[in-house]
Amino acid sequence: DIQMTQFPSSLSASVGDRVTITCRASQGISNFLAWFQQKPGKAPKALIYAASSLQSGVPSKFSGSGSGTDFTLTISNLLPEDFATYYCQQYDSYPYTFGQGTKLEIK
Amino acid sequence: QITLKESGPTLMKPTQTLTLTCTFSGFSLSTSRVGVAWIRQPPGKALEWLAVIYWDDDKRYSPSLNSRLTITKDTSKSQVVLTMTNMDPVDTATYYCAHLVYYYGMDVWGPGTTVTVSS
Repeated sequence: DIQMTQFPSSLSASVGDRVTITCRASQGISNFLAWFQQKPGKAPKALIYAASSLQSGVPSKFSGSGSGTDFTLTISNLLPEDFATYYCQQYDSYPYTFGQGTKLEIK
Repeated sequence: QITLKESGPTLMKPTQTLTLTCTFSGFSLSTSRVGVAWIRQPPGKALEWLAVIYWDDDKRYSPSLNSRLTITKDTSKSQVVLTMTNMDPVDTATYYCAHLVYYYGMDVWGPGTTVTVSS
């Protein structure tokens, strides 16, 4: 299985800040990388596919980059509704695997 | 508009077989490149991918659960069914189904259904 490692596991930031979350794959996955946002008690919401493409309806404050093994998710101008847990997921090979999550908290 | 909804038992006893149904609308599972995946999340833990079935009936499973999982589709009913045998308390989780398209990944998820396994 491909292991996905996210860091940091938690992050404190203020409204208006810009933050970056990193995801590393244990082997190359080309650009088959997705990012999800999950709020407590809710289903994950798809943000990005193919490492850098926004899902429909997702604001441009979310951006993704990377290829191969190293990927980042950047969120600019944080709003209260952006504080949530974020997961990366590879879909290059089965089983599709998720990172352990990064909890973004308000400072 | 694509929607999915999971249904099934909320409480199970160890060794029982779990049957979950994902009922969807807004797409057809006979459309090329389309699939439905199952993912679960134990309380307070990360997401775990379980299985996927595609429009052409191709099926893939998590190797760690492969012997316990079966995924099937009923295109006419717009449903995908996941069965998991020999349930254990560690299988207590919220189970999600999601719409998937090759290259675009899992773009729409159901709200999830919580399954508790306890004697």
